[in-house]
Order: sequence, then C-alpha cells, then structure tokens
Amino acid sequence: DIVMTQTPLSLSVTPGQPASISCKSSQSLLHTNGKTFLYWYLQKAGQSPQLLMYEVSSRFSGVPDRFSGSGSGTDFTLKISRVEAEDVGVYYCMQGIHLHTFGQGTKLEIK
Amino acid sequence: QVTLRESGPVLVKPTDTLTLTCTVSGFSLNYAKVGVSWIRQPPGKALEWLAHIFSNDEKVYSTSLERRLTISRDTSKSQVVLTMTNMDPVDTATYFCARLYCNHVACYPFDYWGQGTLVTVSS
Repeated sequence: DIVMTQTPLSLSVTPGQPASISCKSSQSLLHTNGKTFLYWYLQKAGQSPQLLMYEVSSRFSGVPDRFSGSGSGTDFTLKISRVEAEDVGVYYCMQGIHLHTFGQGTKLEIK
Repeated sequence: QVTLRESGPVLVKPTDTLTLTCTVSGFSLNYAKVGVSWIRQPPGKALEWLAHIFSNDEKVYSTSLERRLTISRDTSKSQVVLTMTNMDPVDTATYFCARLYCNHVACYPFDYWGQGTLVTVSS
C-alpha cells in the first residue's frame, strides 16, 4: 500500500504570512498517462473535507489563487501565499494512483 | 444541486455487521464518469478511505479492510450501500460518502461529500 507522510503535523501562521505543507508518498504517483494523482483537501472544524487541488497543481473550482501546489514523483508541497483566517483547518494530501490513501493531516492555526 | 446523505445506525455492538446507506441526488449513479467512495474518520484522527464503486459496478476496497467490506449500489434508489462485518470499538468513526467525478479534462475525487454519520461501537 502507498503511505502518505505529511510534515509538519501542525503549524501556526500569522495572517498575511505564507504557509507550506509537505507531502511525501512511498511510491511515485506519476501514471503512465503522464498525470500525477496527488490531491489536497481542507477540512474545516465540524465540516466535511473539501477538494482544493487536483493532479498536484490544479486548483479546484472556487479555490482562491493564494493556494498553489507543486511537486513531482513522490514529493509534493501545498503553499498558501498569504494565510487568511478562513484557511484554518486540517489539510490532507491524498494519492489516487493505486486506490486512495490520505496523509495524517496538517493542522493550520492562526497566531 | 449535488448532494450526498449518509444514513445508518448510530450505535452498534461489537461483532455486529454495520450497514450504511448513501443516498445521492443531483447526479445519476449510472453516469459513466461518476463513482462513490466511503471514507471514515475516527474522532480526532485522519481520514481513511474504505471502498469505491464505479459507474460500471466495479468495486475496489482498502487492502487492510477488504475482508470485512462490501460496497453495492441500487441505481433505481440512487443509493450506495456499505456493509462492514465484525465491528469493533476501533471502528468508531464518522463515516462519509463522497463522489468521484470525471470530465474530459480530469477526474476530481471527492468533489462532493456527505455530512457524515457518527457510528459508535460499544456494548
């Protein structure tokens, strides 16, 4: 099974400052079709998760452009250019190349 | 408007079989580019993917849990059903169903989620 490892597990960010979350997979997420099946979700308190990014770097509908994704193979990063109060929650990466596996989650809070 | 709604017991006993139903609206389970997964989340812990059913009725399961899981669908009722056998207190979690949708550009796993249903396993 593919294991997804996120770091850090928590971070505290001042509004307006950037934030970065790393996600590493135990196997490459690059498919033979050229796509990389890495996704990011945000779960706000008391809510269901919401899809932020698909295929590493594409923002899902309605996601602000302060969110960006990068990486390849087994190493990926989610960046928030300027954190806002509404970005608070737990961020999960997920692989979709072989079944689905989520990372442990990274809790983002505001300083 | 796409919605998913989970339903089922809130409390089950150890060794019981859990049956959960996901009722969808706003899309058809017959649509070629759609599937539905079950995902769970123990209190305060991470998400865990459990099972998925594709539009062609193909099913896939979590490797660690596949002996205990069965996913099925009733397209006439717009429902996806998950059964999990031999329930244990460690299976206490909020169980979500979520849609996977594909178009000509990409696939969007879990673009819509239900609100989740908390299942507690206790004698």
